[in-house]
Amino acid sequence: DTEVTQTPKHLVMGMTNKKSLKCEQHMGHRAMYWYKQKAKKPPELMFVYSYEKLSINESVPSRFSPECPNSSLLNLHLHALQPEDSALYLCASSPAPGGILKYNSPLHFGNGTRLTVT
Amino acid sequence: DQQVKQNSPSLSVQEGRISILNCDYTNSMFDYFLWYKKYPAEGPTFLISISSIKDKNEDGRFTVFLNKSAKHLSLHIVPSQPGDSAVYFCAASGEGTGKLIFGQGTTLQVKP
Repeated sequence: DTEVTQTPKHLVMGMTNKKSLKCEQHMGHRAMYWYKQKAKKPPELMFVYSYEKLSINESVPSRFSPECPNSSLLNLHLHALQPEDSALYLCASSPAPGGILKYNSPLHFGNGTRLTVT
Repeated sequence: DQQVKQNSPSLSVQEGRISILNCDYTNSMFDYFLWYKKYPAEGPTFLISISSIKDKNEDGRFTVFLNKSAKHLSLHIVPSQPGDSAVYFCAASGEGTGKLIFGQGTTLQVKP
């Protein structure tokens, strides 16, 4: 069982909908990440939060809005998405201080939310 | 510009034999390398990692080798088991960032 829990597992939404993806970890990690993975492609970094503050935004369109309410929770708010945004959205956490990856601080991934935009 | 490359999309080996998965990188500032395994409909699972100050790290059936001069790393699985059948991603990080760069992945099939 993964220690990073993501809900929902599947989500279908229209282009005018507003929805949110949720991620929770109880490993005491202070760095949390959102990745996006398209079919047959590697995961691509979207956002990094360190100590509940956004530290990296990989030039992600504003229709994706991350939020870190506390050290255990990470949300991704979705609004006015496009069909090409359909993908697997992965949340991860790491014990890496400041979110800076170092040896023995691997990312731990959740099982993802499979998003389909119609 | 793909900084981490896995040039073999797929690999098939017989159960009990060695599986060798390869990965090349271009950024000499990378100092932390990881291998992840991914089953369908699941997130990537961390397998093993290596720091740039080492050339080998071993954990049970899994060994990662790093050749810094060639900018190449490999994952050896011995003996291979059918349950090892999955997509394997090589990943790298460095320059004091929180960014983990993944390769394209190699699909390993271990035949009984």
